Amino acid sequence: DAGITQSPRHKVTETGTPVTLRCHQTENHRYMYWYRQDPGHGLRLIHYSYGVKDTDKGEVSDGYSVSRSKTEDFLLTLESATSSQTSVYFCAISEAQGPGDNQPQHFGDGTRLSIL
Amino acid sequence: AQSVTQLGSHVSVSEGALVLLRCNYSSSVPPYLFWYVQYPNQGLQLLLKYTSAATLVKGINGFEAEFKKSETSFHLTKPSAHMSDAAEYFCAVSPAGNNRKLIWGLGTSLAVNP
Repeated sequence: DAGITQSPRHKVTETGTPVTLRCHQTENHRYMYWYRQDPGHGLRLIHYSYGVKDTDKGEVSDGYSVSRSKTEDFLLTLESATSSQTSVYFCAISEAQGPGDNQPQHFGDGTRLSIL
Repeated sequence: AQSVTQLGSHVSVSEGALVLLRCNYSSSVPPYLFWYVQYPNQGLQLLLKYTSAATLVKGINGFEAEFKKSETSFHLTKPSAHMSDAAEYFCAVSPAGNNRKLIWGLGTSLAVNP
């Protein structure tokens, strides 16, 4: 299994507080992704990274920011959490070397985030 | 825009019966295709992938899928269902030449009855 660790695994917080989720990989893969999973919506891409300090928006990026200062770590931040951001968040990595290299993504075990 | 359709959000089969989970995609160029499985409270696990080398792809746990360009389909099958196959299954498409974003189906929940 791909070496992906998400932390924390569970978190409960209040509306308006900042929240940071961490994804750590031991595979030295270039591509990393953050998704949220909600009933009826499947998986939706929030942000992704194609290298250190190289990131781009996904389809549901509003209210989220990311940072990647090291190959192994990809952080997702909710600057001011809202109840609509209650979800299960998944990190994924890919060994793709460039845009034309269609390698599969491998997923972490997820973070269950509840915002009250 | 490209899309992925999984027909049937819930599928129920008896143990030992054939499993057929449907996936259709829309793409002007044959894409790369993937099937993932998600067990309760876990992340997604790659079952198999189609990368144009062969139209019939064998994956883990006895699953296989056939790419049919004329039907723009990539249906997942298993000859004999096992109780442990009960899970959520997702089909995903990666447009050829652009791996940055996967396009996901909404998933099919498979129940296996004793």
